[in-house]
Amino acid sequence: DGGITQSPKYLFRKEGQNVTLSCEQNLNHDAMYWYRQDPGQGLRLIYYSQIVNDFQKGDIAEGYSVSREKKESFPLTVTSAQKNPTAFYLCASNGGISTDTQYFGPGTRLTVL
Amino acid sequence: AQKITQTQPGMFVQEKEAVTLDCTYDTSDPSYGLFWYKQPSSGEMIFLIYQGSYDQQNATEGRYSLNFQKARKSANLVISASQLGDSAMYFCAMRALSSGSARQLTFGSGTQLTVLP
Repeated sequence: DGGITQSPKYLFRKEGQNVTLSCEQNLNHDAMYWYRQDPGQGLRLIYYSQIVNDFQKGDIAEGYSVSREKKESFPLTVTSAQKNPTAFYLCASNGGISTDTQYFGPGTRLTVL
Repeated sequence: AQKITQTQPGMFVQEKEAVTLDCTYDTSDPSYGLFWYKQPSSGEMIFLIYQGSYDQQNATEGRYSLNFQKARKSANLVISASQLGDSAMYFCAMRALSSGSARQLTFGSGTQLTVLP
C-alpha cells in the first residue's frame, strides 16, 4: 500500500543526546515536510524539501537538521541544541499532479527525560 | 505572510446533527488553497477537503462541505449528520499557489469537536 511511514512511534531521549526520526514515503512525491506539534496547538514547519539533495528551513529550524539523499526518505535529527524537544513530530509529503494536498505519516512522539 | 484563525477551541454537537467549524484566513497571495484536516486522539492527520481560491463552487466530500466566502476570507467546515467517530481535533490550513511560492502549509490552532450520544 502507498503511504508515509514514520518510526519509531514513541522515542525517549536523555538531555544532551541527538536523535534521528525516520520518515519514508512510497508515493513518489517530490516534496517532503517536517512539522512539530505541541499539546493543544497547531503544526509548525521545521524543514521542507522540494527535491532530492535540497531542503529549506521552516519557521522553527533551530536545533534541527535534515537530509534528503533519496526521494523516498527525509530523516530529521533533533540535536542537543534544541532547547525544548519534547513534542509530537509529523512528516508529510505532496507532489501529485492533481492537487497540492499534503499527506501525513502517523507521527513520532518524542520525550526528553 | 499567511495567517489562519480558528476561534473555537472546543465545540459540542449532538449525534446526527450538523456542526460548523469556523476558519478565517489572511493572505496577500491572489491564488491559494484551503484545507481541512482531522486529527483523532491517535495523532495522525487525515485530509478531509480542499478548496481552491478560484473554484466557483464550494467543495464537498461526503458529509463534509466547505462554506467558502472569499470576500469575508472565511472557509468554514460543515459536517452533516455527526457521528461519534467525528470526535477529534480539526485543523484549517492554507498555502499560496502562486508561481514560485513555497509549498508549505500554514495551520490554525485547531478546534476540538466532541460528538455527544
